[in-house]
Amino acid sequence: DIQMTQSPSTLYASVGDRVTITCRPSQSISGWLAWYQQKPGQAPKLLIYKASTLESGVPSRFSGSGSGREFTLTINSLQAEDFATYYCQQYNSYSATFGQGTTVEMK
Amino acid sequence: QLEESGGGVVRPGGSLRLSCVASGFRFDDFAMAWVRQSPGKGLEWVSGLGWDGSNPTYSASAKGRFTISRDNAKNSLYLQMDSLRADDTAFFYCARAPRWGYWYFDLWGRGTLVTVSS
Repeated sequence: DIQMTQSPSTLYASVGDRVTITCRPSQSISGWLAWYQQKPGQAPKLLIYKASTLESGVPSRFSGSGSGREFTLTINSLQAEDFATYYCQQYNSYSATFGQGTTVEMK
Repeated sequence: QLEESGGGVVRPGGSLRLSCVASGFRFDDFAMAWVRQSPGKGLEWVSGLGWDGSNPTYSASAKGRFTISRDNAKNSLYLQMDSLRADDTAFFYCARAPRWGYWYFDLWGRGTLVTVSS
């Protein structure tokens, strides 16, 4: 199984900050990576797929990059509604595995 | 949207059948999957299925105990869970994927809670 490692586990930021989350798979997954946002009591919401394709309706302050064994999610100008937990997920191997999550908290 | 049902409390070794009803889109255009999340923990893909019910695929923890199926005439997805264990306790989400093998999920249900406890 492909293991996904996210860093950091918790990130403290303020409104207006630029935030970067990193995801490293245990083996190369080409560009088969998605990012999700989850708020307490809610289902995850797809933000980005295929490493850098923004899902319809997702604000443009979210962006994704990377390939192979290192990927990043960037939030430009963090908004109040962006405080949440973010997960990366690979779908390279006809199955899927998620990272352990990164919680973005208010500084 | 997607709406799950069928969760509840079950004893270890017991069985449970989850259902998910889809609305607002053409159900048989999409692959479907189940994803679970233990309370306070991360996400785990459980099982997925092609648009026509083909190629069911399972995580290592689900293989041999869980069976995924669908009924396109009823816009419904199912997960039959047998030999349940305490570590199966989780919220189970129904999720839509663009096609089989491309297991990223653009639509999720609200989840149904399965508790395995004696």
